[in-house]
Amino acid sequence: GAVVSQHPSRVICKSGTSVKIECRSLDFQATTMFWYRQFPKKSLMLMATSNEGSKATYEQGVEKDKFLINHASLTLSTLTVTSAHPEDSSFYICSANSAVYNEQFFGPGTRLTVL
Amino acid sequence: QKEVEQNSGPLSVPEGAIASLNCTYSDRVSQSFFWYRQYSGKSPELIMSIYSNGDKEDGRFTAQLNKASQYVSLLIRDSQPSDSATYLCAVKELGGYQKVTFGTGTKLQVIP
Repeated sequence: GAVVSQHPSRVICKSGTSVKIECRSLDFQATTMFWYRQFPKKSLMLMATSNEGSKATYEQGVEKDKFLINHASLTLSTLTVTSAHPEDSSFYICSANSAVYNEQFFGPGTRLTVL
Repeated sequence: QKEVEQNSGPLSVPEGAIASLNCTYSDRVSQSFFWYRQYSGKSPELIMSIYSNGDKEDGRFTAQLNKASQYVSLLIRDSQPSDSATYLCAVKELGGYQKVTFGTGTKLQVIP
């Protein structure tokens, strides 16, 4: 299967700061990347879908000005949590697929803690 | 609203038994179906994909699909304690941005 990486794996920040999370497809070109959030013992919640070179499509209820997504290349998408607050503390996971792979492959996730 | 339904569990089975995980979906035009395994604190890992009616076997895992009944299942034979995890059923819509709808997952506990 394909490999997707995320960086950082864990981040702790102060309230009001911004945090950038990177998602990379290492051995394939990801035409589409997805960003999910997962709270403890809860299911995955899709936040947005991004396609290379175009604006992300956000799910209902997700603030696009707070969660900035950039998909600048076929191997990199970034999620920036702006002006983070403690309620943004969560496990953020990206996934990717492509014309070659019908399946979505997940990155290892980033655990964000906002103090 | 597309829905993917799973029993949240926990489903407890003794070591060596067959674990049966079930999933129903609401969108009749869905064409691709996936099972992911998620250990606590980790991201989902793809186990199986299935696209046509019938059974698909991979090692100890068998996925079963019945599009007429809008039902997909995962059987785990010879269950091991290491199989203890949450299993997510996922359904992919046609076209668009290839978005996948996930069920809420079934927690499986394999008792040694």
